[in-house]
Amino acid sequence: RKEVEQDPGPFNVPEGATVAFNCTYSNSASQSFFWYRQDCRKEPKLLMSVYSSGNEDGRFTAQLNRASQYISLLIRDSKLSDSATYLCVVNPSGGSYIPTFGRGTSLIVHP
Amino acid sequence: GAVVSQHPSRVICKSGTSVKIECRSLDFQATTMFWYRQFPKQSLMLMATSNEGSKATYEQGVEKDKFLINHASLTLSTLTVTSAHPEDSSFYICSAREVSSQHEQFFGPGTRLTVL
Repeated sequence: RKEVEQDPGPFNVPEGATVAFNCTYSNSASQSFFWYRQDCRKEPKLLMSVYSSGNEDGRFTAQLNRASQYISLLIRDSKLSDSATYLCVVNPSGGSYIPTFGRGTSLIVHP
Repeated sequence: GAVVSQHPSRVICKSGTSVKIECRSLDFQATTMFWYRQFPKQSLMLMATSNEGSKATYEQGVEKDKFLINHASLTLSTLTVTSAHPEDSSFYICSAREVSSQHEQFFGPGTRLTVL
């Protein structure tokens, strides 16, 4: 089993739709979790951290389910500009904190 | 958020030459920097972890003698691709992590390397 798994998609949704991505991780001792967004031929940019209690930033909601070892990202009222690849990042416990990236989920929002 | 710069943004070189890529944290100190490679339509692949003042830790399958990493200060890490070949053509991205952060990383804008 891969350490961090994501459905590569693409998720093809109309403007205004609500879309959700999941990301599963294998290391139960993982400490911190993030969602990054990567546009084509650009570097990843931090979208939001994922907190144990769940957190929201505008149209974006991130949740963590430690029991089932997954994190999720919900995007409401999708915009054309949300089209991108969304990367899940998991940091393990321990001193090195070497992050593990998922392969990314591609989102295409169409008019 | 914190700013990480990378230079050059794009480089084209002949096969057999060496290319140096710089990664700088502009407004914070980064004890750890990461170097990634990304081929078209593929995911980020971690090449190595660079810690200031010590040798880099390379991921399995990454040749340390080919990809030389130097992290001489808390704000600068360099990656040198030695004797580059066309198969080394890729998007190289660095990231830096601040000690006081929640382990989030800040990415440089990437360097697109094309080896002819």
